[in-house]
Amino acid sequence: EIVLTQSPTTMAASPGEKVTLTCRASSSVSYMHWYQQRSGTSPKLWIYETSKLASGVPNRFSGSGSGTSYSLTINSMETEDAATYYCQQGSSYPDTFGAGTKLELK
Amino acid sequence: QVNLLQSGAALVKPGASVKLSCKASGYTFTDYYIHWVKQSHGKSLEWIGYINPNSGYTNYNEKFKSKATLTVDKSTNTAYMELSRLTSEDSATYYCTRTAPYYWYFDFWGPGTMVTVSS
Repeated sequence: EIVLTQSPTTMAASPGEKVTLTCRASSSVSYMHWYQQRSGTSPKLWIYETSKLASGVPNRFSGSGSGTSYSLTINSMETEDAATYYCQQGSSYPDTFGAGTKLELK
Repeated sequence: QVNLLQSGAALVKPGASVKLSCKASGYTFTDYYIHWVKQSHGKSLEWIGYINPNSGYTNYNEKFKSKATLTVDKSTNTAYMELSRLTSEDSATYYCTRTAPYYWYFDFWGPGTMVTVSS
């Protein structure tokens, strides 16, 4: 099973600040997908196939990476971006998720 | 628009079984796989398995093979997951979600069903 390690576990960012979340895989994967989950709601697809923004996702978000190292970047933090972000891989059985990064507003 | 409507919260006794439902609308049910994902309180997400509504083919995470059984009813566009021999470790929110065939990201999610196992 591929283990996904997200860092940091928790972080706080000020409005306008650039934010980078990382996800490292224990073995190489073809793509990484990211989900946003706000408290009390179901996850939402946020970035798929490493760098493609899901419908409705603001273009201040971007994704990049390859092999075992991937990242999600917010160009300029906004209030609505405070949430938990999970990475997920489906390249190798079984599908696995990272433990999540909780992003808070400073 | 795509919608996955899940059954309501369940309180079940240890050792019992529970069957959760996920009714799909807004798209052709047989064109997408239905997956189930577990989220224990305050924790991360675990993939349980998926079913191809068109063929009935299932693929389970080894960890959940003896715990979960996935089925569908094509006549009502509804997917089901039965969880058996419940223990406190099964208390969690369970989400149904979908993927296009051969694409392994989950593009729409249901609101989740909270299952509490308690005597």
